Amino acid sequence: QAGLTQPPSVSKGLRQTATLTCTGNSNNVGNQGAAWLQQHQGHPPKLLSYRGNNRPSGISERFFASRSGNTASLTITGLQPEDEADYYCSAWDSSLSAVVFGGGTKLTVL
Amino acid sequence: EIQLLESGGGLVQPGGSLRLSCAASRFIFSTYAMSWVRQAPGKGLEWVSTVSSSGDRTYYADSVRGRFTISRDNSKNTLYLQVSSLRAEDTAVYYCAKGGGTYYALDYWGQGTLVTVSS
Repeated sequence: QAGLTQPPSVSKGLRQTATLTCTGNSNNVGNQGAAWLQQHQGHPPKLLSYRGNNRPSGISERFFASRSGNTASLTITGLQPEDEADYYCSAWDSSLSAVVFGGGTKLTVL
Repeated sequence: EIQLLESGGGLVQPGGSLRLSCAASRFIFSTYAMSWVRQAPGKGLEWVSTVSSSGDRTYYADSVRGRFTISRDNSKNTLYLQVSSLRAEDTAVYYCAKGGGTYYALDYWGQGTLVTVSS
């Protein structure tokens, strides 16, 4: 099953803004959008956003999700040391009847 | 706070079987789809399987279809994954995750249970 495409790594400075991307197709991201998850080393993932820019309670407004066509984006403003983590996108693929994940982006905060 | 507690992992020989369990608490289990997601050592997340809230619909990744079976017991608030014909490439931490109103937005995750397939 083909997954979603994410850049392997992104590096940004403290207090800067990082934009992570997730590219799929019209059967997944372009259809129902994507969710974003954050995973720190040794911990389970945590949901950051879903169905556009809906954030679960407790998720900082510094995390903003958007979508344009078949590409979803996660913008993180005012980068903090604790934002250094792996970020994954996920979507439902209607042609595969499957959840698909991106390969993950490792965000480094310099 | 919603809790998901996986169990049943361990060391198993190639070709062997295990049953993973996920005990859920502090939410109405029977109203949410549930999923299993795995993560091989040093690798990314891989979706394994999803079951609908009532259990009548199940979905599988191609890599496990025919070998793994997802099920749930809503009377016991428990999710299961029967894993069979195990291969070395099935070695991973297996997470149980709750669907947040959609199949792909998994809003709560357990701590995971490690399955190691080795002779």
